Amino acid sequence: EVQLVESGGGLVQPGGSLKLSCAAAGFTFSGSAMHWVRQASGKGLEWIGRIRNKADSYATTYAASVRGRFTISRDDSQNMAYLQMNSLKTEDTAVYYCTRWSPGGATFDYWGQGTLVTVSS
Amino acid sequence: QSALTQPASVSGSPGQSLTISCTGTSSDVGGYNYVSWYQQHPGKAPKLLIYDVTDRPSGISNRFSGSKSGNTASLTISGLQAEDEADYYCNSYTTTSTLVFGGGTKLTVL
Repeated sequence: EVQLVESGGGLVQPGGSLKLSCAAAGFTFSGSAMHWVRQASGKGLEWIGRIRNKADSYATTYAASVRGRFTISRDDSQNMAYLQMNSLKTEDTAVYYCTRWSPGGATFDYWGQGTLVTVSS
Repeated sequence: QSALTQPASVSGSPGQSLTISCTGTSSDVGGYNYVSWYQQHPGKAPKLLIYDVTDRPSGISNRFSGSKSGNTASLTISGLQAEDEADYYCNSYTTTSTLVFGGGTKLTVL
């Protein structure tokens, strides 16, 4: 069974940093691209970025709203993906989801339960 | 990249069919057959319903179907049921190798 479990959310002050983790299980993590998606309370889904697999040189791509502030990384030996968030703004307050890019279609086939990040003074 | 355009809300009675639209541009919806639809119940993670415009993952009811014409994709739900009441989001791959979501549609079962 595929499982994605996010952790690391919490309260952080504007301008601060936070690192989210995503623990993966039940599939060949090293072969999968991993994405992060966020959702502010009462709002829609927003794609943040992705990291491809080793075969694609671990290439990363980011949404304009977070480019230069957020960094996605992975550790295939631990089946973990990470989202490093720097220079946080109040508008970054959201639930952050880790998702798997499907190997069989251009889609997110599995999602974690999400972790809440609150940016506030 | 601007969000794809979805109606904010739709409603229907049990047993009816309804369609949710998702309008983008030739740089996203119209440029690829890579449109997905997700269902999200309150407090839950999104769940994949449709991918690659028309395909259903294993375990998804055939009451859910997808289509596309030009820059607009559509999700049709037939035989509406109470448990279909949820938020629905479309998503597309784009020419800049990014992904974009629609603003979401709240479905109410009357």
